[in-house]
Amino acid sequence: DIQMTQSPSSLFASAGDKVTITCRAGQTISRCLNWYQQKPGKAPNLLIYAASILQSGTPSRFSGNGSGTDFNLTISSLHPEDSATYFCQQSYSIPRTFGQGTKVEIK
Amino acid sequence: EVHLVESGGGLVKPGGSLRLSCAASGFRFSSFTMNWVRQAPGKGLEWVSSITSSGSINYGDSVKGRFTISRDNTKNSLYLQMDSLRAEDTAVYYCVRELVFGVLQPLNWFDPWGQGTLVTVSS
Repeated sequence: DIQMTQSPSSLFASAGDKVTITCRAGQTISRCLNWYQQKPGKAPNLLIYAASILQSGTPSRFSGNGSGTDFNLTISSLHPEDSATYFCQQSYSIPRTFGQGTKVEIK
Repeated sequence: EVHLVESGGGLVKPGGSLRLSCAASGFRFSSFTMNWVRQAPGKGLEWVSSITSSGSINYGDSVKGRFTISRDNTKNSLYLQMDSLRAEDTAVYYCVRELVFGVLQPLNWFDPWGQGTLVTVSS
């Protein structure tokens, strides 16, 4: 199984800040990396797929990059509604595995 | 609009069984790989099982031999039969469609997710 490791596990930031979340795969996964946003009590929602492609409806302040084993999710200017937990997921092989999540909170 | 609605969750005793259902609408259900993903209370996401459009099936190690995934394309429905349930199976179970792009090195992602159904295994 491919282990996915996210960092940090949580962060506090102010509205307007630039925020970066890192996801590292235990082996190379090309660009088979997706990002999901989950708000409390809700199902996860796809933000970015194939490492850098924004899902329709994802605000342009979100961006993703990386390939191989190291990936980033960046929020260029944090909005209050971005308070959520973010998960990365590899789709290179089965079982599909997720990072442990990064909780983003607004100061 | 693409829509997935899970049902069948509830409280069950350890060792018991439960069958989850997922009703799909708004897309050609028979053409897509479908998945179950679960989330224990306050925890992260765990992929449980998948079934392709041609019926190929995979399971996570933690449920192999106890859970059975199936689909009925005539009813646009996905199922998860859960037997020999354990306390650690307690979670919200999500039905999820898998999208794919490319053939030689396909890119896959999960979208959309259903609202989830809670399964609680407790005596």
